[in-house]
Amino acid sequence: QVQLVQSGAELKKPGASVKVSCKASGYSFTNYGINWVRQAPGQGLEWMAWISPYNANTNFAQKFQGRVTLTRDTSTSTAYMELRALRYDDTAVYYCAREVDGAFHHWGPGTLVTVSS
Amino acid sequence: EIVMTQSPATLSVSPGERATLSCRASQSVSNNVGWYQQKPGQAPRLLIYGASTRATGIPARFSGSGSGTEFTLTISSLQSEDFAVYYCQQYNDWPPITFGQGTRLDIK
Repeated sequence: QVQLVQSGAELKKPGASVKVSCKASGYSFTNYGINWVRQAPGQGLEWMAWISPYNANTNFAQKFQGRVTLTRDTSTSTAYMELRALRYDDTAVYYCAREVDGAFHHWGPGTLVTVSS
Repeated sequence: EIVMTQSPATLSVSPGERATLSCRASQSVSNNVGWYQQKPGQAPRLLIYGASTRATGIPARFSGSGSGTEFTLTISSLQSEDFAVYYCQQYNDWPPITFGQGTRLDIK
């Protein structure tokens, strides 16, 4: 069965960077895009970015362009999201999600990133 | 950017009754709409994609309809496990992919 396993919770200071991983299993990793979505405490879902594990092509929401880097390692079927210059309002749960023709059929459990001094 | 607007923000319905949730797109998104259910402390779960196709394992009491700019999620007979927050999403014109702000479905 399809599984996405994410890295553990992070506590970071303002200005630091965080890198979240998403390890996929149960399907051919390079066949489906991986999206990153975040959810601030008590708020809705915010799409951040997408990566094609096949060729590493990426797309970003404008507000994250230049501050987010997406990478993937096909040898371990793992996608990564790095967010730099962290601010207090980056405190959120970060999800990876596998898309099939645009819809997000499978989600990771989420990684809580807390930005605090 | 396409804005997805959900209504109502909160819906109170009794178990066994029907719930109807709405989502409006700021411009046509064809049928490229998904609906997600999220319970506290959990990741969202895909219910409907392509505006009307149930995802794997989703009970038949969940149905989606609409195209263009108006979309509806209907839960025909509410079960206790259906009380949650529901989000619509468009993936027709991206980036960015956009979500509605959510509808909270409460027990009446």
